[in-house]
Amino acid sequence: NAGVTQTPKFQVLKTGQSMTLQCAQDMNHNSMYWYRQDPGMGLRLIYYSASEGTTDKGEVPNGYNVSRLNKREFSLRLESAAPSQTSVYFCASSEGPTGFYEQYFGPGTRLTVT
Amino acid sequence: DAKTTQPNSMESNEEEPVHLPCNHSTISGTDYIHWYRQLPSQGPEYVIHGLTSNVNNRMASLAIAEDRKSSTLILHRATLRDAAVYYCIPTTSGTYKYIFGTGTRLKVLA
Repeated sequence: NAGVTQTPKFQVLKTGQSMTLQCAQDMNHNSMYWYRQDPGMGLRLIYYSASEGTTDKGEVPNGYNVSRLNKREFSLRLESAAPSQTSVYFCASSEGPTGFYEQYFGPGTRLTVT
Repeated sequence: DAKTTQPNSMESNEEEPVHLPCNHSTISGTDYIHWYRQLPSQGPEYVIHGLTSNVNNRMASLAIAEDRKSSTLILHRATLRDAAVYYCIPTTSGTYKYIFGTGTRLKVLA
């Protein structure tokens, strides 16, 4: 049982390049999330998917797109990377709404945009 | 969303109890109080959550004030592995959004 896995672990992009961060969970969870964490800060929600087939914006969605590919996988795409998107990206999943259910987090992807 | 206030940092000696406070005076009646911790270079890890009464699990205890305006996470015997940033997060039941603050950085001294 791997929990939440993320690929890649590290990535360096040049400004304007695009990339997709991959996330998968094997806990049969309904809900999935993407966060970013800037140095010295708490996590901020980018997008979430309450259930397969739905996605919604979080606190900081600009510059990102997401795809809930199936129940297991939730990807985050940067179409044209900017230095302001240099951050650590975490994927998470939960059985249901956050208020009652806890979230399980992946190990993160460290992205640097130069 | 309820605002939280936590100390920036705390220190504890190994094998001693640690009480991590959180003030959430604007919490609503249906908000759960969740606690997570984040070890260095890792994703956050769930610790405990509760609504009104005190809660215990294998990792910690959560003491919630009677007026629910504050709570305290209790680690009964701190170990070096407990050194982390601890986040207190009031969360409205039925939503999908956590609002992480900057948390409390706990340092455990050997």
